[in-house]
Amino acid sequence: ETGVTQTPRHLVMGMTNKKSLKCEQHLGHNAMYWYKQSAKKPLELMFVYNFKEQTENNSVPSRFSPECPNSSHLFLHLHTLQPEDSALYLCASSQDEEVQPQHFGDGTRLSIL
Amino acid sequence: GQQLNQSPQSMFIQEGEDVSMNCTSSSIFNTWLWYKQEPGEGPVLLIALYKAGELTSNGRLTAQFGITRKDSFLNISASIPSDVGIYFCAGRKTSGSRLTFGEGTQLTVNP
Repeated sequence: ETGVTQTPRHLVMGMTNKKSLKCEQHLGHNAMYWYKQSAKKPLELMFVYNFKEQTENNSVPSRFSPECPNSSHLFLHLHTLQPEDSALYLCASSQDEEVQPQHFGDGTRLSIL
Repeated sequence: GQQLNQSPQSMFIQEGEDVSMNCTSSSIFNTWLWYKQEPGEGPVLLIALYKAGELTSNGRLTAQFGITRKDSFLNISASIPSDVGIYFCAGRKTSGSRLTFGEGTQLTVNP
């Protein structure tokens, strides 16, 4: 079983829906990350949390809203998404921001209708 | 942003062949990571490199941190069908900077 668990694995939503992606890590790590993975493109870093504090927002549109209630859980709240937001959303964790490597979950495949 | 050039973009090989891929940058890195991603799954860490010149193996996989600190190589020996997937390199320039990922090398192994 992976140390980083993401739910749901697949999500189809309309542009006006509100949904949330969940990530939980069982590795005792203190840093958590959200990435967007689109076909034929490098992984795009979206957000970083270190010890529950957001330390990176990589110019992500406000229709994506992260939440980190504790070091083990990370959410990505979605609202009024666009078709170009369809992608695989990956969560990762590391010991802390300074200590690599990062360990990834299996992602949520998001499709926007 | 910082770009990593990963090559080749794709490889089609016969089972039993050796594979070599690499990542290059115009900047110096102090960490290189190699990941493998299979369909429907997230990237899985294969090898982590932290020192220039470092050569590290993980089974049939061997990765090297280039001595110029601007590149890294991954070799797979005696490939098997389960080696199929996308291999990503990732690098970090300095302490406090973010990981940069390559675009990946899609490996196909024909039995």
